[in-house]
Amino acid sequence: GNSVTQMEGPVTLSEEAFLTINCTYTATGYPSLFWYVQYPGEGLQLLLKATKADDKGSNKGFEATYRKETTSFHLEKGSVQVSDSAVYFCASTGGYNKLIFGAGTRLAVHP
Amino acid sequence: EPEVTQTPSHQVTQMGQEVILRCVPISNHLYFYWYRQILGQKVEFLVSFYNNEISEKSEIFDDQFSVERPDGSNFTLKIRSTKLEDSAMYFCASSAGHNSNQPQHFGDGTRLSIL
Repeated sequence: GNSVTQMEGPVTLSEEAFLTINCTYTATGYPSLFWYVQYPGEGLQLLLKATKADDKGSNKGFEATYRKETTSFHLEKGSVQVSDSAVYFCASTGGYNKLIFGAGTRLAVHP
Repeated sequence: EPEVTQTPSHQVTQMGQEVILRCVPISNHLYFYWYRQILGQKVEFLVSFYNNEISEKSEIFDDQFSVERPDGSNFTLKIRSTKLEDSAMYFCASSAGHNSNQPQHFGDGTRLSIL
């Protein structure tokens, strides 16, 4: 079945640093890919998505490109802020419409 | 912006008791889901629901679990006889459709603690 693997955290960065959180997937067929973010005490919020190879999803300065050749969907941001501190989940579609999540990566940004 | 709302935010229950977790999906959404996250582990799919039927369910969703849409607004998850290992955060989600242009929107979750 489909699966998603993302880098373990926590990731600790200083404000304005460059962020990369790696995500790779295994799938039969061509899943859609997502990044969700969970701020402390809140639910999962969709951050960005990509539905086919070479699509780039972007939102709030975050970007991720659907790379079929490397089965990856790495999350990047050029300059992180303290307010970006959260847990980030990579996910793919699988089966009828369920989401398959990675383990989550906690990001801590310090001033 | 419309939200998925879940109640209660925290539920404490004795082992063996029944528990019902409640969700109000976004009003024009047609597809509904439950996921759970055991502390420190992945978010796992439990069940999807459309047109008053279960569309898909995972191995976790055994006979102890059931879902229902008792009226036009609520979507509930019932655990018949809770076990210690049911302790987790349970997330409800809804979507307008089942393609990726209509993504799933999640509630803030219910933390279920089984004693």
